[in-house]
Amino acid sequence: ELKVEQNPLFLSMQEGKNYTIYCNYSTTSDRLYWYRQDPGKSLESLFVLLSNGAVKQEGRLMASLDTKARLSTLHITAAVHDLSATYFCAVDVPPGGANSKLTFGKGITLSVRP
Amino acid sequence: KAGVTQTPRYLIKTRGQQVTLSCSPISGHRSVSWYQQTPGQGLQFLFEYFSETQRNKGNFPGRFSGRQFSNSRSEMNVSTLELGDSALYLCASSSRLASTGELFFGEGSRLTVL
Repeated sequence: ELKVEQNPLFLSMQEGKNYTIYCNYSTTSDRLYWYRQDPGKSLESLFVLLSNGAVKQEGRLMASLDTKARLSTLHITAAVHDLSATYFCAVDVPPGGANSKLTFGKGITLSVRP
Repeated sequence: KAGVTQTPRYLIKTRGQQVTLSCSPISGHRSVSWYQQTPGQGLQFLFEYFSETQRNKGNFPGRFSGRQFSNSRSEMNVSTLELGDSALYLCASSSRLASTGELFFGEGSRLTVL
């Protein structure tokens, strides 16, 4: 059974500092997605990573994928309050297959303090 | 382009009742997936429909069912409601013609079972 693990589950960040959060998964896949969820809201797609070594950047967030290590990282540069939310990674298994489905991690709740 | 629309947004039911939730995907998207989100279990895959056919099913009891219509709209039904069915039910659509497999989520239907 595919396991997707995110750590830490909660991260208190100081404004202006850099942080990295991690997503590990237990089976082969080269498709990984990052989503953001604000309290009481739906999931917003942040990044789609489709190959080993893929790197995507949007604003202060940069996501990368290492399929050999089965690891994705989300790097936060100079944290700001607007980044406070819960971030989920999800893995597509079998990748791109007709019967594929996304398996989500538990999510990491980020809180940015002044 | 309109996003994924889910109705109703909020509903309260009592144990033993049944509920039907509706989802209209993004125009042109023919794949609809359903997820259950709870604080304890996180995001769990329920099922996926494509061209009116169930393509994949998660590990949920038979009380959970769904269907998709010819216009790609989807409904899910939960019969004989239990307290543990209280959750946010999220619908997501995707275009199987696109290579990314990216899911676009609706705002969700928040079900409370009393």
